[in-house]
Amino acid sequence: AQSVTQPDIHITVSEGASLELRCNYSYGATPYLFWYVQSPGQGLQLLLKYFSGDTLVQGIKGFEAEFKRSQSSFNLRKPSVHWSDAAEYFCAVGVENAGNMLTFGGGTRLMVKP
Amino acid sequence: DAGVTQSPTHLIKTRGQQVTLRCSPKSGHDTVSWYQQALGQGPQFIFQYYEEEERQRGNFPDRFSGHQFPNYSSELNVNALLLGDSALYLCASSYRQGSAFFGQGTRLTVV
Repeated sequence: AQSVTQPDIHITVSEGASLELRCNYSYGATPYLFWYVQSPGQGLQLLLKYFSGDTLVQGIKGFEAEFKRSQSSFNLRKPSVHWSDAAEYFCAVGVENAGNMLTFGGGTRLMVKP
Repeated sequence: DAGVTQSPTHLIKTRGQQVTLRCSPKSGHDTVSWYQQALGQGPQFIFQYYEEEERQRGNFPDRFSGHQFPNYSSELNVNALLLGDSALYLCASSYRQGSAFFGQGTRLTVV
């Protein structure tokens, strides 16, 4: 069975600073990988996804993520954080031919200092 | 284009009661999945519906059941509610194996 670990429960960065959120997955085959963002009391918004091909994936809101098979990682990055990026971020893994059946990590709460 | 819509947004039920939550998928989507998100945790997959049948199921008891209608909308039913069922219930839709789009969720409180 697949699993996802997000090692950092909370991260605080200053506005304008760079950001990296860590995600490690466990899955026997090539995974489908996703990053979602959730604002308080809201649903999940898809930031970006990796299915195959180029291992550096660009998403919305200036986010990108890099798939590293050797490290079983899919870390999310942003070069300059804005105060509006404060939210909960979830990494998820899906499997081929299983549609939208996703396994999520525990999430990382991002706080942005002015 | 309306996205995934869920109703109601909030609900309070008493332990032992039954509850039904509803989901309308994004236009063009035919697959619906349900997730339970307890406070401070990531969402957990409950089950997935496609062509009006349950296709995949997570590690949830039979008290959790669902249905998908011909117009692709879906219901989640939970019987014999427990305090531990209090959570945000999220519906996600997709077209076949495509990316999942989530609704805003239904916040269920069991007292």
